[in-house]
Amino acid sequence: GAGVSQSPSNKVTEKGKDVELRCDPISGHTALYWYRQSLGQGLEFLIYFQGNSAPDKSGLPSDRFSAERTGGSVSTLTIQRTQQEDSAVYLCASSSYDRGRNEKLFFGSGTQLSVL
Amino acid sequence: GNSVTQMEGPVTLSEEAFLTINCTYTATGYPSLFWYVQYPGEGLQLLLKATKADDKGSNKGFEATYRKETTSFHLEKGSVQVSDSAVYFCALSGTGSARQLTFGSGTQLTVLP
Repeated sequence: GAGVSQSPSNKVTEKGKDVELRCDPISGHTALYWYRQSLGQGLEFLIYFQGNSAPDKSGLPSDRFSAERTGGSVSTLTIQRTQQEDSAVYLCASSSYDRGRNEKLFFGSGTQLSVL
Repeated sequence: GNSVTQMEGPVTLSEEAFLTINCTYTATGYPSLFWYVQYPGEGLQLLLKATKADDKGSNKGFEATYRKETTSFHLEKGSVQVSDSAVYFCALSGTGSARQLTFGSGTQLTVLP
């Protein structure tokens, strides 16, 4: 596709349920990021995939959060046993990898997660 | 680790006023620096960037200069418009084990007619 695609755009779930959020990056982009944007807050880094390297999971807030990237393309962020504080907009971004730097991120429109 | 500190908002200006949003950073090595903008109801998009010291990034009348001596990348615009109302994020991209983009907390700008 032309841009980064995220689905669903909105997700309402009950506390304690598991959710899966999907990201389809721009074709050919080797780097993929997940960020979280809470109301009135900045962007919180969650996880970063780069090619075949081990992902940087240093931003995941708890072991309820996990992510995978299959075939170097589509990524799924899974939140188990959701809590109300997980409510936020989850943003995915991708970029090409040029000379060791990720120069420009292309963001998806995000998934608004609401945990009731 | 890398970090970005932005001027706290919200910032409210009248149309045609001068804008400065301060941004300072902490990083090892020589990061690339960015300003991203999020217009109401839209996703984040890159506004401008600078990849080495003394570089000036510019776009849509906005400018920012990469100052290594002061570890700063302040965003400026000489005459703001109502359409510039948005949230602005300063960010840096490191190298090696710190390649992820690190964002500041964002500054809400409102421009009044």
